Amino acid sequence: KAGVTQTPRYLIKTRGQQVTLSCSPISGHRSVSWYQQTPGQGLQFLFEYFSETQRNKGNFPGRFSGRQFSNSRSEMNVSTLELGDSALYLCASSQDPWNTEAFFGQGTRLTVV
Amino acid sequence: SQQGEEDPQALSIQEGENATMNCSYKTSINNLQWYRQNSGRGLVHLILIRSNEREKHSGRLRVTLDTSKKSSSLLITASRAADTASYFCATDARGAQKLVFGQGTRLTINP
Repeated sequence: KAGVTQTPRYLIKTRGQQVTLSCSPISGHRSVSWYQQTPGQGLQFLFEYFSETQRNKGNFPGRFSGRQFSNSRSEMNVSTLELGDSALYLCASSQDPWNTEAFFGQGTRLTVV
Repeated sequence: SQQGEEDPQALSIQEGENATMNCSYKTSINNLQWYRQNSGRGLVHLILIRSNEREKHSGRLRVTLDTSKKSSSLLITASRAADTASYFCATDARGAQKLVFGQGTRLTINP
């Protein structure tokens, strides 16, 4: 069974631009969560999607958004990028929101210059 | 805010020795998971222990959970160079469908 796939692996963007990251969960998993990892703040929860609906959201500004498609694939978008958005963005896949055993992808390393 | 706190923050041992890492958390949980991360890459799921379990084994890994003390420990026996990584505990607080991570323990295995 294939694992969680995140694309792209690396991105370099300029301040003010926007970026879209993609995540394909494990086959059969319907819940996708996103996390941001930085050296200063550690791993922080961004949001969770299930059945194309955002069920939970972390304490991040509205510039961070996401969506989930009918095939459970998810995208997250960051608009008006700031230097502080440079981070490793990790996607986690779970069977459903009530089963929180989560499996992560390799992440997307975003650098904002 | 971080629910889990790992201790120690960094640990350096010789190959073949055992490594023990601890995690403390603040609220009631459904389960606790341990993950490994190599050099800023993705998180590898190691083991999940439910709140009604006290101990769980997987290969060279042994995890204990003490809900009365709100703490867990991860023991890696007979360590190998490939175990060099950061280890994180993650809890899902009851009523919250998200994982809360600690800051991690950086483990270095010296050959």
